[in-house]
Amino acid sequence: NAGVTQTPKFRVLKTGQSMTLLCAQDMNHEYMYWYRQDPGMGLRLIHYSVGEGTTAKGEVPDGYNVSRLKKQNFLLGLESAAPSQTSVYFCASSYSIQRRKSNQPQHFGDGTRLSIL
Amino acid sequence: GQQLNQSPQSMFIQEGEDVSMNCTSSSIFNTWLWYKQDPGEGPVLLIALYKAGELTSNGRLTAQFGITRKDSFLNISASIPSDVGIYFCAGQLPAGYNNNNDMRFGAGTRLTVKP
Repeated sequence: NAGVTQTPKFRVLKTGQSMTLLCAQDMNHEYMYWYRQDPGMGLRLIHYSVGEGTTAKGEVPDGYNVSRLKKQNFLLGLESAAPSQTSVYFCASSYSIQRRKSNQPQHFGDGTRLSIL
Repeated sequence: GQQLNQSPQSMFIQEGEDVSMNCTSSSIFNTWLWYKQDPGEGPVLLIALYKAGELTSNGRLTAQFGITRKDSFLNISASIPSDVGIYFCAGQLPAGYNNNNDMRFGAGTRLTVKP
C-alpha cells in the first residue's frame, strides 16, 4: 500500500521557471491538501480539495495553482517560481468529514524539496 | 486566532529519560493530533484524540486532549535513540466550521536523544 506518493522528491529551479508537483493517493480519500514547510514553522496550508473537480485556497495560496482532475491526484503548480517559494512541500489526504461524520486524520507524503535560485 | 503554541522548541535528553511536550491555543479545537517527522520524510500520525479529557496511549507514547479543548500534551516514556525527530501537534477545527477537515499545526518540538 503506497499511501501518498509525491513526485519529484527534489527539484532546483531558476527564478521565473514553472513546474508542477504531483501527488497521488491510493486510499480512496476524498480530501487532498498541499502544505509548505519552512524552518521554525509548522506546516502551512496552500490549497486543498474536498473532491474531484473542486479546489479552494488555504492560508498561503499566492503564487500557486492547483488542479484535481482525478480523485486520486492533486497537482500543485508554480507558474513563475520565486526564491520565496524555496521550501519543502507536503501533500496530504484524508477521508471526508461527511463520510465519516467526524474529523479525519490527514496522511502525508514524504515531501518535495524545492529550491529556487 | 487559531495559532498553536508548541513547547518546548527543542529538547536534548539522555536515553531512558521521559519527555513531555505540549500545545496550547486560544481557540477551541475538535480534534488534537500528534505527528512525528523523521529527516527527509513526511509527518507520520502517532496519536489522534477526539474527545475533551481523552487520554490515549500508543506504546510508550501517551497524549491527552485538554478539558478546555484548547490544549494537548504528549509524553514519551523511557526514550530511545529512534525517538529522535520533530514532533508536531495539530488541531482540527469543528467539522461544521468550514467542512474541509482543516488543521492548524504547531511549530514543532525537535527531540534529540543521547545514547
